[in-house]
Amino acid sequence: DVKVTQSSRYLVKRTGEKVFLECVQDMDHENMFWYRQDPGLGLRLIYFSYDVKMKEKGDIPEGYSVSREKKERFSLILESASTNQTSMYLCASHASYEQYFGPGTRLTVT
Amino acid sequence: AQKVTQAQTEISVVEKEDVTLDCVYETRDTTYYLFWYKQPPSGELVFLIRRNSFDEQNEISGRYSWNFQKSTSSFNFTITASQVVDSAVYFCALSEALDKFYFGSGTKLNVKP
Repeated sequence: DVKVTQSSRYLVKRTGEKVFLECVQDMDHENMFWYRQDPGLGLRLIYFSYDVKMKEKGDIPEGYSVSREKKERFSLILESASTNQTSMYLCASHASYEQYFGPGTRLTVT
Repeated sequence: AQKVTQAQTEISVVEKEDVTLDCVYETRDTTYYLFWYKQPPSGELVFLIRRNSFDEQNEISGRYSWNFQKSTSSFNFTITASQVVDSAVYFCALSEALDKFYFGSGTKLNVKP
């Protein structure tokens, strides 16, 4: 089974902190994605990566950056967390026409 | 512009009722892929089905069925004889080049015993 893991299920950070969300997949997938999920808005794509060191902006990249130094790991970085970044963050990897999702990280910024 | 619209925000049914979740999509590409995902209360999205634009054949999997109609740009999902375990948020998604996936806002299904 494909497994996508995320470093934390719940995270509480203060405004202005630098936040790292880690995602690891174990199936050698090329493509990886970061989404945020907010009530009534569905999943919105923040960034995606189709290869090591490659990244593409999604629909809402402002306030975020990403890093992909190894194929299995895709990190989402909040350079200076703000309260409007309180959300559920979902990582996914993709192969064979479907995406596999991690369990999500619920981030609260106070 | 919204590429995937799920107009039903929340639906409540009683167990054993049939329920249809609507999905309308928008794309100019001739090749595209449509998906349904289930997100149970635990939070992890579970893949249910994928359809490509060249395959309009409807699909049935147990109590689940999907109706793909290109003429109306719709990809609706029906659960027959619903069960409490079907309670979840269901997302419809579209991908054109399999690089980006566009998700609808989701439909929360409540199945009451």
